[in-house]
Amino acid sequence: NAGVTQTPKFQVLKTGQSMTLQCAQDMNHNSMYWYRQDPGMGLRLIYYSASEGTTDKGEVPNGYNVSRLNKREFSLRLESAAPSQTSVYFCASSEARSSGVKLAKNIQYFGAGTRLSVL
Amino acid sequence: AQSVTQPDIHITVSEGASLELRCNYSYGATPYLFWYVQSPGQGLQLLLKYFSGDTLVQGIKGFEAEFKRSQSSFNLRKPSVHWSDAAEYFCAVGPLRTNAGKSTFGDGTTLTVKP
Repeated sequence: NAGVTQTPKFQVLKTGQSMTLQCAQDMNHNSMYWYRQDPGMGLRLIYYSASEGTTDKGEVPNGYNVSRLNKREFSLRLESAAPSQTSVYFCASSEARSSGVKLAKNIQYFGAGTRLSVL
Repeated sequence: AQSVTQPDIHITVSEGASLELRCNYSYGATPYLFWYVQSPGQGLQLLLKYFSGDTLVQGIKGFEAEFKRSQSSFNLRKPSVHWSDAAEYFCAVGPLRTNAGKSTFGDGTTLTVKP
């Protein structure tokens, strides 16, 4: 099993360029997430998707858009990259589903990350 | 709103010494609690989790953590640290019921192991 796969691993952009970070999981998970990791700031949630066809803003959504293409794939797009978006980006997935009689399964599985530099 | 505090940004221990990494959380109900480890250049890997039941939980790589409701803490421990344990450790809290497994992460504690 590959788990969570992110592409690319590294990327350098010029200010104003656009790009899409790809993420795919093969665990049949319902929820997927995009985080950015910056020194001294831990992980901050950018967007998440609780199920196919739904997306919601996280803590730091400005400057990003996402698409939950299908259950497996969740992409993150930077329309006009800025130096402040230089960061390491992590995609994650979890089994979590809508609450009800079943408990949410909150264990998250992470990809290896994408190191993005915006010059 | 839920929050997680890891008071120690950086900890250095000698190989073979014991380790305790602190984590305090703020949440209005019984939370899910997690510890993740991140080795250099890698993604995060789950070490252990607490959902309910026994407040002392065992994880991988010889780690354990104890949930103390009265102190709102979930400290990570290991009796004898190995050089390969050098990494960054993240505590996270998630709600019991949610539309998605949104977790809130602490800022992390970097562990250095001296030979």
